[in-house]
Amino acid sequence: AQKITQTQPGMFVQEKEAVTLDCTYDTSDPSYGLFWYKQPSSGEMIFLIYQGSYDQQNATEGRYSLNFQKARKSANLVISASQLGDSAMYFCAMREGYYTGRRALTFGSGTRLQVQP
Amino acid sequence: NAGVTQTPKFQVLKTGQSMTLQCAQDMNHNSMYWYRQDPGMGLRLIYYSASEGTTDKGEVPNGYNVSRLNKREFSLRLESAAPSQTSVYFCASSERTANQPQHFGDGTRLSIL
Repeated sequence: AQKITQTQPGMFVQEKEAVTLDCTYDTSDPSYGLFWYKQPSSGEMIFLIYQGSYDQQNATEGRYSLNFQKARKSANLVISASQLGDSAMYFCAMREGYYTGRRALTFGSGTRLQVQP
Repeated sequence: NAGVTQTPKFQVLKTGQSMTLQCAQDMNHNSMYWYRQDPGMGLRLIYYSASEGTTDKGEVPNGYNVSRLNKREFSLRLESAAPSQTSVYFCASSERTANQPQHFGDGTRLSIL
């Protein structure tokens, strides 16, 4: 079974509107972390936001927020007030074993977001 | 502000040739990783090194070897390149603390003919 599922291969959004990128995950480990990365067309991986499984509040970083629904095992990324520069691939990733496990990430297949003027 | 530096950025090899991808980080991180990214897929872990002197296999280790030369450097070697290894390779590093993000290099685009 896929550990990280991103069901939206591509999405369009109008500039200045908000957009939600979906991510569901599968783990039996009670301790895990969820990360979102942005990959622009230039290819680099840019860290956006992190949510820990024990965090009480949804993470926020500027225009990025994470809609974390633990019971549903979803960690959707919300981008508010989209900008043209937000056009990129977005990857959801999970790290299992918060305290003792390896630190490597398992990635989803990504969502390509295109922001239209 | 170099962060994670990968060399080379591009490489074309013939089937059967060998090469080493280099990675160095200047953030004093203990953990380092090698991933590959194929079209339509997310990054997949090849090998990782939790700390200097240790390495472990990831999801797709076949055909690769790694060396953690010191705390800063983590190299990936293809002993006998195959067309299936055509991919973009990313090196990353992170603190041991689980809530810290991984920092990625800019990637190496490798084509095997």
